[in-house]
Amino acid sequence: AQTVTQSQPEMSVQEAETVTLSCTYDTSESDYYLFWYKQPPSRQMILVIRQEAYKQQNATENRFSVNFQKAAKSFSLKISDSQLGDAAMYFCAYSSNTGKLIFGQGTTLQVKP
Amino acid sequence: NAGVTQTPKFRILKIGQSMTLQCTQDMNHNYMYWYRQDPGMGLKLIYYSVGAGITDKGEVPNGYNVSRSTTEDFPLRLELAAPSQTSVYFCASSYSSPSGIYEQYFGPGTRLTVT
Repeated sequence: AQTVTQSQPEMSVQEAETVTLSCTYDTSESDYYLFWYKQPPSRQMILVIRQEAYKQQNATENRFSVNFQKAAKSFSLKISDSQLGDAAMYFCAYSSNTGKLIFGQGTTLQVKP
Repeated sequence: NAGVTQTPKFRILKIGQSMTLQCTQDMNHNYMYWYRQDPGMGLKLIYYSVGAGITDKGEVPNGYNVSRSTTEDFPLRLELAAPSQTSVYFCASSYSSPSGIYEQYFGPGTRLTVT
């Protein structure tokens, strides 16, 4: 069975600085998708970034980028120029071709002014 | 477009009562999902559907039932509510094609308390 592990329950970063959130996963499949979702206090789940396993190039969305290491089964999220609005719970998630998402336990990110 | 809508937003149930959580999407997505999120945890899949008339169990299906009679609607039924079903419930939808899976869009969630 696939699993997703986020080993950092909480992280903090100073405003305007860079922070990296870690995620590892386990799967025997070769074709899959990885996601980072943001959940602010409003509870709304917001997609941050998406990576297809067959793509070697790391995905980037504005200030958000990933470091996808397929052999190591690692999928970390880097947030550059952190803003107060980035404070939230961040979830790493895995999906096979069935579309079902498997979530990690989440990392709470605090942004200090 | 409204995206994914869920009703109600909040609900308190007594042990043994039943209720249906409603979910509707207007994006013509073929896949729909129900997740639950316990405090401080990630989401866990309850049931999912790949199209009208087709449903399947997820990771935590016990105590729940679903149906999918239309593309737009995917209600979740709780029978004989138990305190262990106190959680926040999220409905989501996505589009899938032979070229791949696309990201899931989530509803705002329903906070359910069973006492």
